[in-house]
Amino acid sequence: DIQMTQSPSSLSASVGDRVTITCRASQSINYYLNWYQQKSGQAPKLLIYTTSNLQTGVPSRFSGSGSGTDFTLTITSLQPEDFATYYCQQTYSLTRTFGQGTKVEIK
Amino acid sequence: QITLKESGPTLVKPTQTLTLTCTFSGFSFDTSGVGVAWIRQPPGKALEWLAVIYWDDDKRYSPSLNSRLTITKDTSKNQVVLTMTNMDPVDTATYYCAHRMTTTPHDVFDIWGQGTMVSVSS
Repeated sequence: DIQMTQSPSSLSASVGDRVTITCRASQSINYYLNWYQQKSGQAPKLLIYTTSNLQTGVPSRFSGSGSGTDFTLTITSLQPEDFATYYCQQTYSLTRTFGQGTKVEIK
Repeated sequence: QITLKESGPTLVKPTQTLTLTCTFSGFSFDTSGVGVAWIRQPPGKALEWLAVIYWDDDKRYSPSLNSRLTITKDTSKNQVVLTMTNMDPVDTATYYCAHRMTTTPHDVFDIWGQGTMVSVSS
């Protein structure tokens, strides 16, 4: 099974900060990496698919990059509505594994 | 507009079989590339992908749960059903169904249902 490891597990940031979340795969997943945002009590929401494609309606302050085993989600200027938990997911292998999540909290 | 909604029991006993239904609108399994997946999330924990069914009736299951899962579709009712046998308290979770984007060659789940909480307890 491909393991997905996100770092950090949680972070505290202020509105306006630049935030970077990393997702590392235990083996190469090419570019088959998606990012989801989940707010408390809500279903996950697709932010970015296939490493760097912004889902329709998602603000341009979100971006994704990477390839192979190392991927990054960046929020260029954190907004109040961005405080949530973020998950990466690989869809290269059958298991379609999710990372353990990164919780972004208000500093 | 695509919507999905999960339904099923909120409480099951250990060893029982869980049957969940995902009722959707805004798309059809008659369309090439369409798929519906099930994902679950134990309280306070991460997401876990369970299974997916495609327009051509191809199915994929999580290897760790493969022996316990069955996914089927009813095209006429716009429903996808997931059954999970031999339920255990560790299976307590919110269960989500999600729509697969048809514009990418690999699985991307763009629209999710609201989820349904299932507790396993005697």
